[in-house]
Amino acid sequence: TQLLEQSPQFLSIQEGENLTVYCNSSSVFSSLQWYRQEPGEGPVLLVTVVTGGEVKKLKRLTFQFGDARKDSSLHITAAQPGDTGLYLCAGPFSGNTGKLIFGQGTTLQVKP
Amino acid sequence: DAGVIQSPRHEVTEMGQEVTLRCKPISGHNSLFWYRQTMMRGLELLIYFNNNVPIDDSGMPEDRFSAKMPNASFSTLKIQPSEPRDSAVYFCASRARGAHNTGELFFGEGSRLTVL
Repeated sequence: TQLLEQSPQFLSIQEGENLTVYCNSSSVFSSLQWYRQEPGEGPVLLVTVVTGGEVKKLKRLTFQFGDARKDSSLHITAAQPGDTGLYLCAGPFSGNTGKLIFGQGTTLQVKP
Repeated sequence: DAGVIQSPRHEVTEMGQEVTLRCKPISGHNSLFWYRQTMMRGLELLIYFNNNVPIDDSGMPEDRFSAKMPNASFSTLKIQPSEPRDSAVYFCASRARGAHNTGELFFGEGSRLTVL
């Protein structure tokens, strides 16, 4: 069974700190996506990574896809209260079915 | 442009009652997903349609759950009879044609279901 495991589950930090959250699997994924979800809303796509070793930057957020395409990380530099939310990684289920599965998520709280 | 539209936003019902959740995907999108989100289990895929046809319903918990997509602009998720353990936020999401495994999912705002 393909699973995506995220760590940590919860993270509470002060404004200005750096942090990294992880998404790991024992299976190879053809691509991985990161979404952010705010309370009362649906998840919103941040980035898609498709190549092993790929690094993508979105302002203060840096996303990396592992060389073996089994893991990904999200690093936030100088976190802001506006970064607070649930961060979810997602990947296509094995085979070309179009089915997308999600990790459990990392809840981030950035305190002013 | 209108996003994915779900209704109702909130539903409180009693155990044993029928619940119907509705979704209007983004126009032109050909894939539609129903997910359920709880604190304990996270975001679980219930069923996935492509071109109005159910492709994978392996996540549907049991026979009490059913989903239909009669046309490209409407889908329903029905629970009959409902049970307290069905309490969760149910999300509908759609995806554009062509981007099979890398395309962005656009989510609705969710339907929060509470079964007493």
